[in-house]
Amino acid sequence: QKEVEQNSGPLSVPEGAIASLNCTYSDRVSQSFFWYRQYSGKSPELIMSIYSNGDKEDGRFTAQLNKASQYVSLLIRDSQPSDSATYLCAVSWAAGNKLTFGGGTRVLVKP
Amino acid sequence: GAVVSQHPSWVICKSGTSVKIECRSLDFQATTMFWYRQFPKQSLMLMATSNEGSKATYEQGVEKDKFLINHASLTLSTLTVTSAHPEDSSFYICSAREPTGGHGELFFGEGSRLTVL
Repeated sequence: QKEVEQNSGPLSVPEGAIASLNCTYSDRVSQSFFWYRQYSGKSPELIMSIYSNGDKEDGRFTAQLNKASQYVSLLIRDSQPSDSATYLCAVSWAAGNKLTFGGGTRVLVKP
Repeated sequence: GAVVSQHPSWVICKSGTSVKIECRSLDFQATTMFWYRQFPKQSLMLMATSNEGSKATYEQGVEKDKFLINHASLTLSTLTVTSAHPEDSSFYICSAREPTGGHGELFFGEGSRLTVL
């Protein structure tokens, strides 16, 4: 059973700090990794995608992938109250295949 | 990114009735769409993969006779919840991929919140 695991949180961070979210997955043949943000009552929106080991930066977001250790993380720099949401990690085990989602980490950014 | 639209956003129905939810890809053609269900404070659970012109592929434990999926065109997939019961109340979200470029990112519709009385 392929699995994607996240700490459910809530992860509470002060405004301006760095929020660090982790995600582990169970299968070494995983190919594509995604981070989605979901506000309460809304559908998920794509933040970042990463496919190769290392870091990928986009604005205040940095995704980090380590395939040997089977984890992918998301850093949110200069956290803002508007970043308060649930962050979903998703993994695809084959190109164009369905995504499997983790349970999500709830992030609370306090002013 | 790709634009996926769902309708209706909210629906309330009586137990025993059927409800149809539409999912449209607005600026691209989607041969495959995915239907997810999300219960409160839980993650997304894939229900089925909708394939244009052929039968949907259902995930284990999802009743294909209860959740009817039709993908008759390259821009429209529909999910019909038949004989709905209160336990079917949930947030239903469809998604699709852009056919060219990217590496498999899914783009989601706005979601449809179903409440069965």
